[in-house]
Amino acid sequence: KQEVTQIPAALSVPEGENLVLNCSFTDSAIYNLQWFRQDPGKGLTSLLLIQSSQREQTSGRLNASLDKSSGRSTLYIAASQPGDSATYLCAAYSGTYKYIFGTGTRLKVLA
Amino acid sequence: EAGVAQSPRYKIIEKRQSVAFWCNPISGHATLYWYQQILGQGPKLLIQFQNNGVVDDSQLPKDRFSAERLKGVDSTLKIQPAKLEDSAVYLCASSQAGGFTASSYEQYFGPGTRLTVT
Repeated sequence: KQEVTQIPAALSVPEGENLVLNCSFTDSAIYNLQWFRQDPGKGLTSLLLIQSSQREQTSGRLNASLDKSSGRSTLYIAASQPGDSATYLCAAYSGTYKYIFGTGTRLKVLA
Repeated sequence: EAGVAQSPRYKIIEKRQSVAFWCNPISGHATLYWYQQILGQGPKLLIQFQNNGVVDDSQLPKDRFSAERLKGVDSTLKIQPAKLEDSAVYLCASSQAGGFTASSYEQYFGPGTRLTVT
């Protein structure tokens, strides 16, 4: 059974800092992994999707990596800004043909 | 391209009442998901449709929750009767799915319906 964990649960950093968010999964037989952003009271916005055959994906200041052998994915945010403040969620899609979500990391970027 | 639409955005009901949520996925998306997100937790899949067939409803409390997707497009999720623990945000998502690339499984979410049961 796939389980997804995100540590830390909350993170507060000063503006301009580079940061890494972690996502761990127990079943390495994943098909893809998707990172989302959720603003308070809003739905989820897709940030990046990494296929199992890829090691990383980049979009602007965001870079996501995937290491299936260690059961880990990381989301790297460069030069953080107050507008990056949100909850970041990862979701693993595996052989059960459904996405399993982590509990999220609540990020606050201080101006 | 229009996104995933959901209504209502907010709903307050008393326990034992019934409630229904509506979702219209992105045009052409074959797969539709309903998630329940309790405050402070990640979304939990309730039911997944591929066109108008159910792929997974293993976590749907079938004694009180029901869902349908008529004609493989719009979907409704119903709770009857509601309990206090059903207070949550109900999220609808869709994906193209059925393709041979992982990107066809990329999920797009609606804004959600916040349900409060008193």
